[in-house]
Amino acid sequence: EAGVVQSPRYKIIEKKQPVAFWCNPISGHNTLYWYRQNLGQGPELLIRYENEEAVDDSQLPKDRFSAERLKGVDSTLKIQPAELGDSAVYLCASRQGQETQYFGPGTRLLVL
Amino acid sequence: SQQGEEDPQALSIQEGENATMNCSYKTSINNLQWYRQNSGRGLVHLILIRSNEREKHSGRLRVTLDTSKKSSSLLITASRAADTASYFCATAPQGAGSYQLTFGKGTKLSVIP
Repeated sequence: EAGVVQSPRYKIIEKKQPVAFWCNPISGHNTLYWYRQNLGQGPELLIRYENEEAVDDSQLPKDRFSAERLKGVDSTLKIQPAELGDSAVYLCASRQGQETQYFGPGTRLLVL
Repeated sequence: SQQGEEDPQALSIQEGENATMNCSYKTSINNLQWYRQNSGRGLVHLILIRSNEREKHSGRLRVTLDTSKKSSSLLITASRAADTASYFCATAPQGAGSYQLTFGKGTKLSVIP
């Protein structure tokens, strides 16, 4: 069974540019998470989806971040415009029923 | 915000030795989970311990939970070079199932061959 797939793996952009990350969760997993992980820190939740519905986006900086999960499968996370402080690893995770989350490899973003 | 605090922040041991990492948290939990992250990779689930359990084993891993002290420990016995990674504890709040996990800052373990 394929794991959580994320792309791109790495992205370098200049500040004020837009950027988008894509996540394909494990087949059949209804719950999808986006986390941000700063260097030397643990992951911090940005948004959680249950199927198509964003049920917790309280930590998502809504002035520049947006996310969508059309059809309740794949998801995209967008930043527009990016700032220097957005440099981090963006992790996607999914789960279904069980209590553990399955993580993708992450997208490492560097904003110059 | 991060609920858990791992201790130590970094740990370096020789292959074959045991490694112990600790995690403290602040609020009541439903369960506590440990994850491993190899450099440049995503997190991998290791073990889950529920609030009514005190100890759990999985292979070379032993996890303890003391809810009165709001703390947990992860013991890796007979460490190997492949155990080199960052280890995170994550807590699921009481009453909310495990939909929401809050991660600590992690312990960076280096196992020297």
